[in-house]
Amino acid sequence: DVVLTQSPLSLPVTLGQPASISCRSSQSLVLSDGNTYLDWFQQRPGQSPRRLIYRVSKRDSGVPDRFSGSGSGTDFTLKISRVEAEDVGVYYCMQGAHWPFYTFGPGTKVDIK
Amino acid sequence: ELQLVESGGGLVQPGGSLRLSCAGSGFIFSDYYIGWVRQAPGKGLEWVGRITHRYDSYSTEYAASVKGRFTISRDDSKNSVSLQMNSLGTEDTAVYYCFREFWYSFDRWGQGTSVTVSS
Repeated sequence: DVVLTQSPLSLPVTLGQPASISCRSSQSLVLSDGNTYLDWFQQRPGQSPRRLIYRVSKRDSGVPDRFSGSGSGTDFTLKISRVEAEDVGVYYCMQGAHWPFYTFGPGTKVDIK
Repeated sequence: ELQLVESGGGLVQPGGSLRLSCAGSGFIFSDYYIGWVRQAPGKGLEWVGRITHRYDSYSTEYAASVKGRFTISRDDSKNSVSLQMNSLGTEDTAVYYCFREFWYSFDRWGQGTSVTVSS
């Protein structure tokens, strides 16, 4: 199985300051079609997960542009340029390259200092 | 509005069975793979399994942790997918979310339904 590791697992942030979450995969997430299948999901307290970023860097409709994704191969990053109160929650990376056996990272809990 | 709505959760005894449903609306349900992810209390997300659409013969795949115990089926005439769970153990206690799968990703999720396995 593909293992995703995230760091940090807990991220206290100051409102208005940037935040960054790393996701590393035990195997390459590049599929034979040349695309890299790494997504980011946000789960706010008491809510279901919501996809923010797909294929490393493509933002979903309605996702604020303060969220951005980057990376390649096995190393990926989710950045929040200026954290807002509504960004509190747990962020998960997920790989789709080794379908159908999708795997998630352990999650990074973001809260306000 | 695009929606996925789960139902059927509840309390069940160890060794028992439960059937969850996921109803879709606001999109052409039959054109999509649909699957399930679960989240144990205070834990992360675990992919459970999925069913493809008719173009891919309604094939199913399951996580090793549930294979042989869980079965996913669908009824496109009712825009619905079911998750039949048998031989339930306490480790199956979780919130179960259905999702719409598209291009190796899960672009829409339901609100979840809670399953508690306890005597």
